[in-house]
Amino acid sequence: GQQLNQSPQSMFIQEGEDVSMNCTSSSIFNTWLWYKQDPGEGPVLLIALYKAGELTSNGRLTAQFGITRKDSFLNISASIPSDVGIYFCAGPPVNYGGSQGNLIFGKGTKLSVKP
Amino acid sequence: NAGVTQTPKFQVLKTGQSMTLQCAQDMNHNSMYWYRQDPGMGLRLIYYSASEGTTDKGEVPNGYNVSRLNKREFSLRLESAAPSQTSVYFCASSEAFGTDNQPQHFGDGTRLSIL
Repeated sequence: GQQLNQSPQSMFIQEGEDVSMNCTSSSIFNTWLWYKQDPGEGPVLLIALYKAGELTSNGRLTAQFGITRKDSFLNISASIPSDVGIYFCAGPPVNYGGSQGNLIFGKGTKLSVKP
Repeated sequence: NAGVTQTPKFQVLKTGQSMTLQCAQDMNHNSMYWYRQDPGMGLRLIYYSASEGTTDKGEVPNGYNVSRLNKREFSLRLESAAPSQTSVYFCASSEAFGTDNQPQHFGDGTRLSIL
């Protein structure tokens, strides 16, 4: 089936550091979504991207829709402790074998605080 | 301002028992979804309802049934629970289906254990 590959799988952050993560696929997407999940809660939408090359910010978060339409990037600047959690990318791939409009999700990037 | 509400939050079942997970949204969204999330995995779509009166299978529908009771409510039923169905179940909704502008909004999940 379709897959979204997120990298890195996990990372440790120190307060104040910038964080980068990405999501790649062999399929073309028309929409990229970035979600954050805190323990015991459902995913919360952070940023939605709708156009190749688009760069969108939400506070300290910035996400980009890759030019090839097969990847997306999320950056967090000046991280703070509450940034800890799992970040998922998701999107409806074009020419998906299932119904158009259904989302597929990456396996997530887990952000933890450096001990 | 509840968004997507799921009940129950936790449930323990014995193998072979049946139960229904409830989901309701107050955002007047047309489309609703059921996902399962297993450790280290992204979310996988079980069933979805693109609009009131329609339901369709997602990626992992076996062992489940759904009912779109009305525009607000979408339930997931396990007829004969199996240990492999131990998971966290998330309900989501979106304004529309099959368009680019369809970010999904999630409930906080139902944690289900099958013994």
